[in-house]
Amino acid sequence: LAKTTQPISMDSYEGQEVNITCSHNNIATNDYITWYQQFPSQGPRFIIQGYKTKVTNEVASLFIPADRKSSTLSLPRVSLSDTAVYYCLVGARKGTDKLIFGTGTRLQVFP
Amino acid sequence: NAGVMQNPRHLVRRRGQEARLRCSPMKGHSHVYWYRQLPEEGLKFMVYLQKENIIDESGMPKERFSAEFPKEGPSILRIQQVVRGDSAAYFCASSPQRIDRGNQPQHFGDGTRLSIL
Repeated sequence: LAKTTQPISMDSYEGQEVNITCSHNNIATNDYITWYQQFPSQGPRFIIQGYKTKVTNEVASLFIPADRKSSTLSLPRVSLSDTAVYYCLVGARKGTDKLIFGTGTRLQVFP
Repeated sequence: NAGVMQNPRHLVRRRGQEARLRCSPMKGHSHVYWYRQLPEEGLKFMVYLQKENIIDESGMPKERFSAEFPKEGPSILRIQQVVRGDSAAYFCASSPQRIDRGNQPQHFGDGTRLSIL
């Protein structure tokens, strides 16, 4: 499974847009890119998944360039409750694949 | 529509005792995964089970750890003769037989925090 690299931490203020970029240079043709969010004392929660170009849902957008070697999770107008660890994962889309988590990006949102 | 349920949420054991962690997958899900998380680290895969079968246990320590997912009842992660290094958060995830477009790969429970005295 492809290894991912993302910043260890990021700071932001309420109301700002936050972009977290993940590098996955060895992504395979059938790999999807998935982002999870984890709050303290809780399990990871699915945010968004994509294969190429742009995916948007009610929570976030995911931008994937043509070469797919990186991806950017975009959180519009963050609030204090978006303070969490964000994980970028790369792998096949089947639910039957084990998920490989890196250390994630710790996002701190300030008032 | 209950999510993945894990119990207990917190478990304290003394060195040498046994720890049993339970996971009830989401309704309709037949695949269960166990992960372990140490403080400040990402989750590490341990084992993947379907009903009555272990599919992938490549992340499970060879000694003292075992997992099952019986035909009836929850999945159980069992740790025998616990040691201090077993202290961690253990998460269970489940997924359905088939992933449809837009569905998330795995749904996670809120974990069991195991502390070894």
